[in-house]
Amino acid sequence: GAVVSQHPSWVICKSGTSVKIECRSLDFQATTMFWYRQFPKQSLMLMATSNEGSKATYEQGVEKDKFLINHASLTLSTLTVTSAHPEDSSFYICSAPPGTGGTEAFFGQGTRLTVV
Amino acid sequence: DAKTTQPPSMDCAEGRAANLPCNHSTISGNEYVYWYRQIHSQGPQYIIHGLKNNETNEMASLIITEDRKSSTLILPHATLRDTAVYYCIVRVGNNFNKFYFGSGTKLNVKP
Repeated sequence: GAVVSQHPSWVICKSGTSVKIECRSLDFQATTMFWYRQFPKQSLMLMATSNEGSKATYEQGVEKDKFLINHASLTLSTLTVTSAHPEDSSFYICSAPPGTGGTEAFFGQGTRLTVV
Repeated sequence: DAKTTQPPSMDCAEGRAANLPCNHSTISGNEYVYWYRQIHSQGPQYIIHGLKNNETNEMASLIITEDRKSSTLILPHATLRDTAVYYCIVRVGNNFNKFYFGSGTKLNVKP
């Protein structure tokens, strides 16, 4: 199946700083990518849809100024958590459809963010 | 997208078949049933999907009832590595649509 890679796998940052998470489609182009957040023992929550060449669309209740999304190319989307606080500590996961006619989405391995 | 209902947890003996049920009684005619699983601290892994016919691949089988209101994911010979949270998701099957995850079923495969 198609490969989606996230970097870094884990990151620790100080409260008030910003953190950037990258999501790459390694063997296919993705005009759309999705960002999810998962708190411990909870399910994945869709945060936003990243669109190449246009603004991201955010799910209700997600602060777009706090979670900046940039879809710089057909293989790269980034999520920047700005002015991070301990409550932003979570597992962040991206996904992308392969765009080859398949309808399933492939997910990255996730990024564990810890804000101290 | 239609809502799904899954049991919160299930146990299965290693080597036996694991049958994971999913209820999607409000599914509409153009909605597919997808199954993903998530092993602890990893991204979800695609397993299988179907519309109305039963499907089988190298990982699992998907049995969809004739009225499409429920389905069962079957892992024919569960191993310890199949211990994970399994998510049943219903959505329209065109490209680029997003997935909304429910609470899933924690499958515990025991030796």
